Amino acid sequence: EPEVTQTPSHQVTQMGQEVILRCVPISNHLYFYWYRQILGQKVEFLVSFYNNEISEKSEIFDDQFSVERPDGSNFTLKIRSTKLEDSAMYFCASRTSRSPDNEQFFGPGTRLTVL
Amino acid sequence: AQSVAQPEDQVNVAEGNPLTVKCTYSVSGNPYLFWYVQYPNRGLQFLLKYITGDNLVKGSYGFEAEFNKSQTSFHLKKPSALVSDSALYFCAVRDEGSARQLTFGSGTQLTVLP
Repeated sequence: EPEVTQTPSHQVTQMGQEVILRCVPISNHLYFYWYRQILGQKVEFLVSFYNNEISEKSEIFDDQFSVERPDGSNFTLKIRSTKLEDSAMYFCASRTSRSPDNEQFFGPGTRLTVL
Repeated sequence: AQSVAQPEDQVNVAEGNPLTVKCTYSVSGNPYLFWYVQYPNRGLQFLLKYITGDNLVKGSYGFEAEFNKSQTSFHLKKPSALVSDSALYFCAVRDEGSARQLTFGSGTQLTVLP
């Protein structure tokens, strides 16, 4: 069964450093998402991406964040200058376009720890 | 704005007993409702969804959920719990009139005791 994959599974970085979190969505999916989950808190929407552009973003997704689909398979989330409060589990998700109501498929997540 | 509430942080149930994990929602239009499960060190796995039609929807692993419009609820149920059902369960909603991202509840940790 096809699945969304994410790398690395755990990333440790120093405050102020740039990090890139990588995702490989399911191959025939066209809509891509990033969510984050701070420890003990809700899963929160960050950004959605379709047709090589951001379709929607939350207030969390400020200028420090960017997303990119550099090739036909990868979908990346970049944090330019990490802050302590960026420490969280980051989930990538994707879905097809065949139905407007179909579910999103989530990756296993990347745990980001900012020191 | 859409929102989801899962009033119980923790639910414990004995193996073989029925289980219920509660969820209530708030949206401005018609809701699209989802349940996801998260096992340790794993991503969110889709269980079931309600879009339209029958209020009782059936999903993976024997789970089902009942949509109740008057109570704005979408409780997850299973007639006979298994120890392997122990996991973190998330309810999520999307308003049909809004963008396509999901709004999640805070999660309920289900523990099935042998």
